[in-house]
Amino acid sequence: AQSVTQPDIHITVSEGASLELRCNYSYGATPYLFWYVQSPGQGLQLLLKYFSGDTLVQGIKGFEAEFKRSQSSFNLRKPSVHWSDAAEYFCAVGPPGGVAGGGNKLTFGTGTQLKVEL
Amino acid sequence: DTEVTQTPKHLVMGMTNKKSLKCEQHMGHRAMYWYKQKAKKPPELMFVYSYEKLSINESVPSRFSPECPNSSLLNLHLHALQPEDSALYLCASSPRQGATANEKLFFGSGTQLSVL
Repeated sequence: AQSVTQPDIHITVSEGASLELRCNYSYGATPYLFWYVQSPGQGLQLLLKYFSGDTLVQGIKGFEAEFKRSQSSFNLRKPSVHWSDAAEYFCAVGPPGGVAGGGNKLTFGTGTQLKVEL
Repeated sequence: DTEVTQTPKHLVMGMTNKKSLKCEQHMGHRAMYWYKQKAKKPPELMFVYSYEKLSINESVPSRFSPECPNSSLLNLHLHALQPEDSALYLCASSPRQGATANEKLFFGSGTQLSVL
């Protein structure tokens, strides 16, 4: 069965510092990979996604992620964190080739809570 | 309009009540989803509708009853819930561009449900 691991439950960084959030997946094939961000009491917003091609993907809000097949990882990075980046970050995987019947079926990791010190 | 709108934002109900959660999108998306999220946990898929037909039911108890009356609306009818059903209920939609599409989901801001 597929699974997603986010090893860091909490991370605290200073504003302006760089950030890396880890994500490892276990899947029979290379899944489709996503990073979502969630502010308290809010829904999830897609930061970026990887389906194929260039393994370094750019997203919104200055985030990027690198897919490393050999490490089964899809780590999220940002060169300089802003206080407004404080939120919960979820890595998610979706089955390659879609879902019979349509739509998608994402499996989410347990999330990493990011705190930003001013 | 790139929003998924959920109402109400907050709901408190007793275990004998019947209530409904509503979700609406006007992006022309043909797949809609219900997720349940407990505090400090990731979202868990409950139901997927594709072209107004239920395509995925993740073995959800029958006290949760989804309905997709048209391509823009998704409801979740609640009856005889338990306190452990208290959670944030998230609706999402995706374009449903093809049988093999692996699409990004657009999420609403959720309904925070408390069952007393």
